[in-house]
Amino acid sequence: DAGVIQSPRHEVTEMGQEVTLRCKPISGHDYLFWYRQTMMRGLELLIYFNNNVPIDDSGMPEDRFSAKMPNASFSTLKIQPSEPRDSAVYFCASSFRPPGSPLHFGNGTRLTVT
Amino acid sequence: AQSVTQPDIHITVSEGASLELRCNYSYGATPYLFWYVQSPGQGLQLLLKYFSGDTLVQGIKGFEAEFKRSQSSFNLRKPSVHWSDAAEYFCAVGEKGYGGSQGNLIFGKGTKLSVKP
Repeated sequence: DAGVIQSPRHEVTEMGQEVTLRCKPISGHDYLFWYRQTMMRGLELLIYFNNNVPIDDSGMPEDRFSAKMPNASFSTLKIQPSEPRDSAVYFCASSFRPPGSPLHFGNGTRLTVT
Repeated sequence: AQSVTQPDIHITVSEGASLELRCNYSYGATPYLFWYVQSPGQGLQLLLKYFSGDTLVQGIKGFEAEFKRSQSSFNLRKPSVHWSDAAEYFCAVGEKGYGGSQGNLIFGKGTKLSVKP
């Protein structure tokens, strides 16, 4: 089991550019979560999917953020246009039906917007 | 609304000493409770979880946690800390119906553990 795979590990971009973060969940997991971690706000849930369908996107900060899950093995989080305040570590996690099953986290993407 | 409080931002203990990390939650019913650990540059890993039954739960790496309903607490403990335990620890609460339209996992701000040789 390769675990949850996120790419890229680090992303540095200029303000106004589009950023796409990618996630491959663990095979068979039917829940996928996107979290953002910052020093000030800690770990925040942005959006989660069940069977590729977005269930709760109330954590998405604004319209500049969008997430998709076109199939069971791939998800993207896109920021367009990016701003310096979007700088954070973005985690993807997957699980079987919670809460009985734990979340399995990827190693994160560290995003820096200059 | 649910909330999770980890009152200690940073704790330093000596190797071999005992450890207790505090976690308090705010929730109207019996929640699902979790402790996760994050090593530098890594994602979070589950240490242990409580759903129901025995209020003392055992986890990986020699950790345990005790659910105390009267105190709304779920403190993490380890009798003897090893240098490799240095990491950041997160308490989290989930509600029934989590995964459906009603719930998600709420994380505390974390406690960073440093271990002195």
